[in-house]
Amino acid sequence: GAGVSQSPSNKVTEKGKDVELRCDPISGHTALYWYRQRLGQGLEFLIYFQGNSAPDKSGLPSDRFSAERTGESVSTLTIQRTQQEDSAVYLCASSLGHGSNQPQHFGDGTRLSIL
Amino acid sequence: GQSLEQPSEVTAVEGAIVQINCTYQTSGFYGLSWYQQHDGGAPTFLSYNALDGLEETGRFSSFLSRSDSYGYLLLQELQMKDSASYFCAVRANTGGFKTIFGAGTRLFVKA
Repeated sequence: GAGVSQSPSNKVTEKGKDVELRCDPISGHTALYWYRQRLGQGLEFLIYFQGNSAPDKSGLPSDRFSAERTGESVSTLTIQRTQQEDSAVYLCASSLGHGSNQPQHFGDGTRLSIL
Repeated sequence: GQSLEQPSEVTAVEGAIVQINCTYQTSGFYGLSWYQQHDGGAPTFLSYNALDGLEETGRFSSFLSRSDSYGYLLLQELQMKDSASYFCAVRANTGGFKTIFGAGTRLFVKA
């Protein structure tokens, strides 16, 4: 079956522009997560959805970051007025439920470069 | 706050056994997970421990001691393809269920 799909795979944009990153989770997975990974570093939690609601937005770095999920499926992460420190790989994961025993299945990420 | 500590790098030879340790500090502990990530690739789930003790999955085993806030990943019969980064992760009840990842341990397997 299809895994988690993220688009675009790479995005290069100028500082100050807005970007939108998309995540298609595995069909039937109710939980969806966004992470940021800077080069050579660990995964930084951004936000988590259970269904279409986000019980925990505490990881969003600033009000320039927002995310939504519709139809308990596709999610978009939007970064407004991008800054150079936003350059990173943005990873999306989904899991069957939100229990801690549910493995998270990751997409290949979007590599974002801010010039 | 929540934090996890793991060694930044480990080097071992092919065929050997290696142990990657992880200590954590979190509120509302809900289990320790391990993920593998090859360079340029997506993290993939390896194992999960909710209770104390050892969980074995093929060449990989994972251990948890909740009283010590400590766990480890054990890799046996190392192969070159095991060269990757390994992350421990915990789920913390901070009002939601944020997943906190360690900074990762880079494993180098030498011939």
